[in-house]
Amino acid sequence: DADVTQTPRNRITKTGKRIMLECSQTKGHDRMYWYRQDPGLGLRLIYYSFDVKDINKGEISDGYSVSRQAQAKFSLSLESAIPNQTALYFCATSDPPGAFGAFFGQGTRLTVV
Amino acid sequence: DAKTTQPPSMDCAEGRAANLPCNHSTISGNEYVYWYRQIHSQGPQYIIHGLKNNETNEMASLIITEDRKSSTLILPHATLRDTAVYYCIVRVGRGRGGSQGNLIFGKGTKLSVKP
Repeated sequence: DADVTQTPRNRITKTGKRIMLECSQTKGHDRMYWYRQDPGLGLRLIYYSFDVKDINKGEISDGYSVSRQAQAKFSLSLESAIPNQTALYFCATSDPPGAFGAFFGQGTRLTVV
Repeated sequence: DAKTTQPPSMDCAEGRAANLPCNHSTISGNEYVYWYRQIHSQGPQYIIHGLKNNETNEMASLIITEDRKSSTLILPHATLRDTAVYYCIVRVGRGRGGSQGNLIFGKGTKLSVKP
């Protein structure tokens, strides 16, 4: 089983629909992250959480919300999807800096039509 | 967290060493240098990290200058499978709140290994 699992892997949704992307991890890490990646661009941080009660906005949080249901689960929601949210989304987990690097999921390819 | 500057692209011949530079001139004393790579559209993969000493593992070597303002990732014998985008990140070593310890990615260096 993968250390970081994202569901769904692919999703097509309509403009205005609410959609949730889910992430679960088996690493026992406190820190979890959501990123989006657009073609030809690097990863941009949407939200991050350092523990269940600590959630913070990243570089591009507008139009997104998150929920940290447990140490192992971190969900990303698009309340009302729009076409420019079409992107590849990645979830990641990590120990505090100085330890090993972060682990990433395989990504969710989201298309908003 | 300090920002980094990397060349947008580099080529390397298969079997030769690939040396990927990164500038992080505003790095502070408690920030680590991390390297990741992303092959095609897969999730990024951790390669190596260091604070001030050079580091080596089974994937690569990391050379950090004495003033810590720049570093070089070395893939000693590049293969076609090393073709990927390589990201250099600096990251605070302590702290939980705010943006401390965030993983902020730039655009990276696209390394093309050619036969």
